[in-house]
Formats: sequence, C-alpha cells, structure tokens
Amino acid sequence: QQQVRQSPQSLTVWEGETAILNCSYENSAFDYFPWYQQFPGEGPALLISILSVSNKKEDGRFTIFFNKREKKLSLHIADSQPGDSATYFCAASPNRIFFGDGTQLVVKP
Amino acid sequence: EAAVTQSPRSKVAVTGGKVTLSCHQTNNHDYMYWYRQDTGHGLRLIHYSYVADSTEKGDIPDGYKASRPSQENFSLILELASLSQTAVYFCASSDTGQGPEVFFGKGTRLTVV
Repeated sequence: QQQVRQSPQSLTVWEGETAILNCSYENSAFDYFPWYQQFPGEGPALLISILSVSNKKEDGRFTIFFNKREKKLSLHIADSQPGDSATYFCAASPNRIFFGDGTQLVVKP
Repeated sequence: EAAVTQSPRSKVAVTGGKVTLSCHQTNNHDYMYWYRQDTGHGLRLIHYSYVADSTEKGDIPDGYKASRPSQENFSLILELASLSQTAVYFCASSDTGQGPEVFFGKGTRLTVV
C-alpha cells in the first residue's frame, strides 16, 4: 500500500509564482519528512526536511508546512524560477524511508 | 561531497540474459540501497545492506539479487532479465538507516529487449 501520497502529479506555474506541492501519509509512526528534488538524468537529492515536532521549516524560498493532526504536509516554493523545474519527492521515515510518487513541476518563464 | 557512482549509466540487455549493475560509494557509509524508478512512479526499494557481506530484501526483491562484497561496493544482479525490469535503477548510501540524508547515484537506465 502507498505509505506516502503526493498531489498533484504534475504542476505548471509561471515564474515568480508560488508553487504548492502536497503530501499526505498514513503511518503515525513517521517522524521525519524529507523532500527530495530530482532533475532529469540525475538522482534525487535532499532539498529540505522537517521533523514531526515542528510545524514549519524554511530554507530560502522553500518552506515545508506540516500538520501532524491531519497527517499532511506541503512544500511551498516561493518566487518560482525556471531552474526549479524538477520532480519533487515527499518522503517519510521512522527508520526506513518511504517515497511518494513525486510531483513534476514546470516553471514557465 | 558525498559520492555514489553507478556503472554502467545505461545498458540494453536481452530477455533471459544476466545483468549486473555496479555501485561504488566513497562516503564511508554503512548503508547502501538499490531503488527502481519507473515513469510516473516514485522510488521502490529492491535490496539494501547495512554491512559488508550481508544484504536484506526491500519491498520488491523478486527477480533481483544483491551483493555487498565490501563497504564501498554494492551490486544488483538480474539473473534472468525480463521486459518488466526495464527501468531506471538508483543506488544510494546513508550513514544510518535511511536518515537523515540518503545520497543517490545518477542512475542506470536499463532496457530489456
């Protein structure tokens, strides 16, 4: 069964807009939520992460909002740039990591 | 900078043939992983290892074997390649069990014909 679900499957925004990528999970034992960014032809790389004790994590233009009660989180990419065009994976872990199916983001100039 | 190197980067294999995908890491990490990525899907764990000479099954181990002869090297073996094993394969390493960061290689695109 899918442990981590992401939506939308694909997203297109204009340069300068805020892209919002959604993620949900089922397992209450998950306590660590990394987001990975993958460019074509490359392996995923850690972008930003949050622990379940926090409800928000910021790193530059990237912000994770976390709602433990609803088991949902979202990645907000402010002032989106064409270089942000990539696939973003939400993941969750208590000790082993589970990946969602990814959101393919396209930022149009 | 952590480094995970995969070889080959792409391969075409014949159905029923044997395929070996290799991975080398210079991170001094204990954990190594093999993932499979299909179009429109996330990363599915095939096998992993937390110590040399030992491997563990992941979520989709059927049709795959793994070998960890040393801390630095981890291989994925397809004894009888099938069309359904056409995918991109990623090797990864981490210094603990899946946290806080997993370092991925660039992937191997395998096409079985």
